[in-house]
Amino acid sequence: EIVMTQSPVTLSVSPGEGATLSCRASQSVGRSLAWYQQKPGQAPRLLIYGASTRATGIPARFSGSGSGTEFTLTLSSLQSEDFAVYYCHQYFSWPPLTFGGGTKVEIK
Amino acid sequence: QDQMVQSGTAVMRTGSSVKVSCKVSGGSFWNYAFSWMRQAPGQGLEWMGGIIPSIPTPKYSQKFQDRLTLSADESTSTTYLELSSLRSDDTAVYFCARGSEDSGSYLHPLDSWGQGTLVIVSS
Repeated sequence: EIVMTQSPVTLSVSPGEGATLSCRASQSVGRSLAWYQQKPGQAPRLLIYGASTRATGIPARFSGSGSGTEFTLTLSSLQSEDFAVYYCHQYFSWPPLTFGGGTKVEIK
Repeated sequence: QDQMVQSGTAVMRTGSSVKVSCKVSGGSFWNYAFSWMRQAPGQGLEWMGGIIPSIPTPKYSQKFQDRLTLSADESTSTTYLELSSLRSDDTAVYFCARGSEDSGSYLHPLDSWGQGTLVIVSS
């Protein structure tokens, strides 16, 4: 099983600032890495797939990078609707598909 | 984009079984991979298993192998999760989600999600 580890657990950011979230895989997943955003009471929403490709309708202030075992999600100029929990997900190897534990981006 | 609509909240007794449905509207069903995840209160996402309707054999996480049954009904474009021998720590929101490609493979990101079904287990 590929273990996904996200850091930090919580990130406090002021609106308008940027944020960098990290995701590490216990073994290489190539570029088979997705990021999701989840708001309270809602299902996760796909933001990024293939490590760096934005999903349909996702604004350019969300960007992803990395390959192998190290990945980054960068949020630039945070808006009020961006405060949420973010999960990384590897779809390189299964079963099982695995998710990181999440990073909560909260208002500072 | 297709929509995925899940059944409503279920309140169950310890030791019983629960069946959750996930209906896909829009017709894209047969060769897509559907995954089921759960999220305990305040916790992250846990993959439980998956099913591709065109392939007879679902795949299960080892953790749920003995208690989980996934099925699919092509006539109604609906997938089902059934979890037996429920315990209090099965209390969670259960999500279905679909892989992004009509390829018969699980190795795709999950681009369509159901709204989630809350299952509460109490004695």
